[in-house]
Amino acid sequence: GQNIDQPTEMTATEGAIVQINCTYQTSGFNGLFWYQQHAGEAPTFLSYNVLDGLEEKGRFSSFLSRSKGYSYLLLKELQMKDSASYLCAAINQAGTALIFGKGTTLSVSS
Amino acid sequence: GAGVSQSPSNKVTEKGKDVELRCDPISGHTALYWYRQSLGQGLEFLIYFQGNSAPDKSGLPSDRFSAERTGGSVSTLTIQRTQQEDSAVYLCASSRAGGRYEQYFGPGTRLTVT
Repeated sequence: GQNIDQPTEMTATEGAIVQINCTYQTSGFNGLFWYQQHAGEAPTFLSYNVLDGLEEKGRFSSFLSRSKGYSYLLLKELQMKDSASYLCAAINQAGTALIFGKGTTLSVSS
Repeated sequence: GAGVSQSPSNKVTEKGKDVELRCDPISGHTALYWYRQSLGQGLEFLIYFQGNSAPDKSGLPSDRFSAERTGGSVSTLTIQRTQQEDSAVYLCASSRAGGRYEQYFGPGTRLTVT
């Protein structure tokens, strides 16, 4: 089976750095995604990792360690608009769909 | 098209009625997915279509749920004899192909079963 774990909530202040962790247990591994979902809106793609290491994309970076079944999303220079739910997802064994964690709700305050 | 579209945006129905939810994927995307998101839960995979291949229906929670995709484009998710536990936001997504490709989500249909 597959299981994705991530913290339920996190808080941070504007300008800070926050790291959202995700651990996964999957039957086979085909890649890991991070999506952002603002309240009442559809998820939007942030990153995809299939090899170990750090992928940097502007203020957002994502890290993967396949041997540890671990990923994190790093958000730098936080802004109020970064308040959202961050979803960690792994591709299922069949390679046909994403298995999502329950999401981490990040609240950024001034 | 500009993005994935879904209709209706909201649907309130009585327990026991059938409902149909529609998804228009991005033009040219061969893969189409249905998910549902219940309050406090993560997105739950329902069904996957890829081109002319047989769909992956492994996520459908019961035989009351079915979906079809006509002409490799528009998809309809049908829920028969709706139950209160079917209340959720139903999200459709499409991608260039299956697997590792980025999925683009529609705005969802909020279904409320009374």
